[in-house]
Amino acid sequence: QVHLNQWGAGMLKPSGTLLLTCSISRGSFSDSSWSWIRQAPDRGLEWIAEITHSGVTDYTASLRSRVSLSVDMSRNQFSLELSAVTAADTGIYYCARHWKTETTSRRFDSWGQGTPVTVSS
Amino acid sequence: DIQMTQSPSSLSASVGDRVTITCRTSQGVKKNLNWYQEKPGMVPKLLIFGGSLLQAGVPSRFSGTGSTTDYTLTINGLQREDFATYYCQQSYSAPFTFGPGTNVDVK
Repeated sequence: QVHLNQWGAGMLKPSGTLLLTCSISRGSFSDSSWSWIRQAPDRGLEWIAEITHSGVTDYTASLRSRVSLSVDMSRNQFSLELSAVTAADTGIYYCARHWKTETTSRRFDSWGQGTPVTVSS
Repeated sequence: DIQMTQSPSSLSASVGDRVTITCRTSQGVKKNLNWYQEKPGMVPKLLIFGGSLLQAGVPSRFSGTGSTTDYTLTINGLQREDFATYYCQQSYSAPFTFGPGTNVDVK
């Protein structure tokens, strides 16, 4: 089973830039699509963005102007960058594999451990 | 964007009960519908994918049905460890939206 380990700064000031990285083990970036999902305090899950194995990215509309995904194939890692953060960006951020096979549909079957992020002055 | 609704938003149940949670999508998602369980302080866990397929390692008391826009998660014989929040999610088209969640707590 693929394992995802994520890290990044957990405390940010407003207007700062959030950078999170997710490392893939027991699997390869080239095998799947990879997403970032977040959860604000006492709120539900929100899909943020995705990068496919070929490097194509997609972003939720509300964050499109501030978010960017990148990949380091040599390290089997992918990263999320969210600029101009505000208190509304506070929450837990997860990386996840968006897996499918030839006969089954996509699903988020493996998740990172989550990174708590707090934006405060 | 595909909008997701779940009902009920919360329910109280006892160990051994049969629990049913409904998810409705604003347009057909062709069974690209998944269910997750979330407990406080823990990572969300995939239960059901493709509308009705049980994820490996998930107990068989969990089942999913549905098609087009209407889907159901059923827990047959609720166990103590099943008290949690449940989310549906569509992987048919981006943005890959989640439902608002259903909290299952102790009656």
